[in-house]
Amino acid sequence: AQSVTQPDIHITVSEGASLELRCNYSYGATPYLFWYVQSPGQGLQLLLKYFSGDTLVQGIKGFEAEFKRSQSSFNLRKPSVHWSDAAEYFCAVGAREYGNKLVFGAGTILRVKS
Amino acid sequence: DVKVTQSSRYLVKRTGEKVFLECVQDMDHENMFWYRQDPGLGLRLIYFSYDVKMKEKGDIPEGYSVSREKKERFSLILESASTNQTSMYLCASSFRGQNRLGYTFGSGTRLTVV
Repeated sequence: AQSVTQPDIHITVSEGASLELRCNYSYGATPYLFWYVQSPGQGLQLLLKYFSGDTLVQGIKGFEAEFKRSQSSFNLRKPSVHWSDAAEYFCAVGAREYGNKLVFGAGTILRVKS
Repeated sequence: DVKVTQSSRYLVKRTGEKVFLECVQDMDHENMFWYRQDPGLGLRLIYFSYDVKMKEKGDIPEGYSVSREKKERFSLILESASTNQTSMYLCASSFRGQNRLGYTFGSGTRLTVV
């Protein structure tokens, strides 16, 4: 079965600093990979996705993520964090073999200090 | 702008009440999902539906039921609400067989059972 691990429950970064949120998945073939963001009290918004092609994908709000097959990872990065980036971030995995369902990680809460 | 709309942002219900959470999407998606979100546990799938009148249990269906009489509407029913069902409930939708495109989420319903 596919699974997703986000090892960091909380991360705090200073405004203007770089950010990397980690995501590791367990699945034999190439999965579909997603990052979602959830602002307080809101639903989840898709930041970016990967399912084939270039392993470095660009998303909204200046985020990017890199798929590394050898490490089973799909880490999310941003070169300079803004206070408005404070939110909870979820990594998710899907696969054609698993039909319609995605599996979500437990989330990472990002705090931004000024 | 495409949307998944959850009828209530906040609900307060009494123990033992029958509770209906409504979700409507305007994207002609075949798949619809209900998740609950609790701190530290991420998103857990309650039920999903891949067509009208079709439903499948997710990971935590106990205490819940669902109804899908029309393609655009998916209802989550708490037959007899209990305090351990206090949570954030998220509805999502997607095209069938296209989980590489990810889900579209509603804004969530925060349910408190007292």
